[in-house]
Amino acid sequence: GAGVSQSPSNKVTEKGKDVELRCDPISGHTALYWYRQSLGQGLEFLIYFQGNSAPDKSGLPSDRFSAERTGGSVSTLTIQRTQQEDSAVYLCASNSPGRSSYEQYFGPGTRLTVT
Amino acid sequence: AQKITQTQPGMFVQEKEAVTLDCTYDTSDPSYGLFWYKQPSSGEMIFLIYQGSYDQQNATEGRYSLNFQKARKSANLVISASQLGDSAMYFCAMREAYSGAGSYQLTFGKGTKLSVIP
Repeated sequence: GAGVSQSPSNKVTEKGKDVELRCDPISGHTALYWYRQSLGQGLEFLIYFQGNSAPDKSGLPSDRFSAERTGGSVSTLTIQRTQQEDSAVYLCASNSPGRSSYEQYFGPGTRLTVT
Repeated sequence: AQKITQTQPGMFVQEKEAVTLDCTYDTSDPSYGLFWYKQPSSGEMIFLIYQGSYDQQNATEGRYSLNFQKARKSANLVISASQLGDSAMYFCAMREAYSGAGSYQLTFGKGTKLSVIP
C-alpha cells in the first residue's frame, strides 16, 4: 500500500516569501504529525492533528508557522515570511493511535532552503 | 534536562560484528514507549524496534534487539552481525503517555552515526 507522501521534495525560496508544504498520510490514519529536522540534528515536534483538529500546536516555533488538515487526510504546513533559520527538512508522519499502533510512519520529507 | 540522550555522535563497527548504540531517557510518566529509527543518507526514517515501559521482556526484531534497563532509564540498541547497509544515522525516541493534549508525539535524541567497515 501507499506510504506517507510529501511534496515538494525540495523547495528553495527567498527570505521573506511564504511557502506551503504538503503531506498526504496513509489512508485511514487519523493522527498526523509534523516534525522539523535541522542539519545534523534530531527531529523536533511541530504540530499534531487528530482528524481535522490540532489539539497540540506546542512545537510551532513562531506565529509565522501554521498548519491545517482537511477531510481528515491531506495536511499543509505554511511558513510565512520565511527566514534563513527555517531551512531544514520538514517531515510528516501518521498513525492510528491505539495499543497496537504505536509506530509512526514517516514520509520522505521536504528539504526547505531559504536563501 | 534533555529527555533523550545519545552520547555517541559517531560509531564504527567491523562488518559481521555486533554493536551497541546507547540511549538514556528521562520521564516521570509511568507509561511510555521507546523507539529506534534508522535514517540512511537518503533521508527516510525507518522504524526498527519498539519497547513499552510495561513490557517484561526486551524487544527483538531480527538482528535488532533493545537492551531495556528500566531502573537505569536506558534503552540501548544492539545490532548483531553488522552489514554494510547498516551504515546510517540511528535515532532513539520516546513517546510519553501524557504529552500535550494526548498527542503522543515522539521526542528524539540527536542521533548516532554508525559506519560499518568492510
